[in-house]
Amino acid sequence: EAGVVQSPRYKIIEKKQPVAFWCNPISGHNTLYWYLQNLGQGPELLIRYENEEAVDDSQLPKDRFSAERLKGVDSTLKIQPAELGDSAVYLCASSSGRARGNEQFFGPGTRLTVL
Amino acid sequence: AQSVTQLGSHVSVSEGALVLLRCNYSSSVPPYLFWYVQYPNQGLQLLLKYTTGATLVKGINGFEAEFKKSETSFHLTKPSAHMSDAAEYFCAVILRGGYQKVTFGTGTKLQVIP
Repeated sequence: EAGVVQSPRYKIIEKKQPVAFWCNPISGHNTLYWYLQNLGQGPELLIRYENEEAVDDSQLPKDRFSAERLKGVDSTLKIQPAELGDSAVYLCASSSGRARGNEQFFGPGTRLTVL
Repeated sequence: AQSVTQLGSHVSVSEGALVLLRCNYSSSVPPYLFWYVQYPNQGLQLLLKYTTGATLVKGINGFEAEFKKSETSFHLTKPSAHMSDAAEYFCAVILRGGYQKVTFGTGTKLQVIP
């Protein structure tokens, strides 16, 4: 079974440029998460989807960040414009079912460097 | 509000020695508890979890953790460290009430010395 796929793995851009990250969750997983992981920190939730609905985006900086999961499968996270402080690893995860305690499966992440 | 505290951002052990990584949580109701491992340039992988039942939980790679309600702790242990255990370990919690939001600790980087 394929795991969570993310691309690109690495991205280097100059500040004020736009950037997009893509995630394909495990087949059949209806819940998808985007996390931000700063160096030396644990992941912090940016947005959670149940199918195509964003059910928790309270931590997403909506002035520059946007996300979509149009068909309830793969998802795109966008930053426009990027700032120096956005340099971090962006992790995508997925899980099945609504039961709390369900394991989240993580992708390898996209390491973003903003110059 | 829930929070997770991992004592020690860096832990060093000798190969073959006991591994002990500490995790304490704060919430009014015992949450679901998880330990994840992250190898360099990779995503997080679940080691073990406690949801209900037996408080001593066994996971992959010889790790185990014990939920202690009285101490609000969920420390991770392994009797004998292996070089391949060198990685970063994250404790995480999910509240039993409310929706499924995961709160991660700040992580503990484990170094195994030959």
